[in-house]
Amino acid sequence: AIQMTQSPFSLSASVGDRVTITCRASQGIGNDLSWYQKKPGKAPKLLIYVASSLQSGVPSRFSGSGSGTDFTLTISSLQPEDFATYYCLQHYNYPYTFGQGTKLDIK
Amino acid sequence: EVQLLESGGGLVQPGGSLRLSCAASGFIFSNFAMNWFRQGPGKGLEWVSTIGGTGSTTYYADSVRGRFTISRDNSKNTLYLQMSNLRDDDTAIYYCANSIGTGYWGQGTLVTVSS
Repeated sequence: AIQMTQSPFSLSASVGDRVTITCRASQGIGNDLSWYQKKPGKAPKLLIYVASSLQSGVPSRFSGSGSGTDFTLTISSLQPEDFATYYCLQHYNYPYTFGQGTKLDIK
Repeated sequence: EVQLLESGGGLVQPGGSLRLSCAASGFIFSNFAMNWFRQGPGKGLEWVSTIGGTGSTTYYADSVRGRFTISRDNSKNTLYLQMSNLRDDDTAIYYCANSIGTGYWGQGTLVTVSS
């Protein structure tokens, strides 16, 4: 199975900060990577698909980049509603695998 | 409007069985592969299973293979997950989701495995 190593595990930041979360795949996955935001009691929300495409309705402060094995999610200017846990997901082959998650909280 | 509505969760004893359903609307159900994901208490997201649009291809996580069966009824626009020989670590919120990249997920149904 492809392992997704996500970092950091947790991150404290302030409103207005720029933050970057990374995922590294244990083998090349092309651009078959998505990013999700998860809040307690809510379904995961798709932010980015095929590594860099912004899902409809998602604010443009979210962006994704990378291909092959190294990927990043960037939030250009944190807003209060962005404090949540973020996950990457590879869907290059089965079993699909998530990163461990990055909990983003308020500094 | 796309809607995915899970049902069938509940409390079950270890070794027991449960069948989850996911009623879909707002899209041509048979055109899309469908997925089940889960999140256990205090744990991360986990992919569980995928089924192709016709139902002829299925994939499972190692943790559930041989115990869970994914299926679909395209005439009823419904996805299923038959879970048997349930274990404590199957306790989770189970989500159905459309194909990766569409972004459509249900709100989840809670499965609790406990004696």
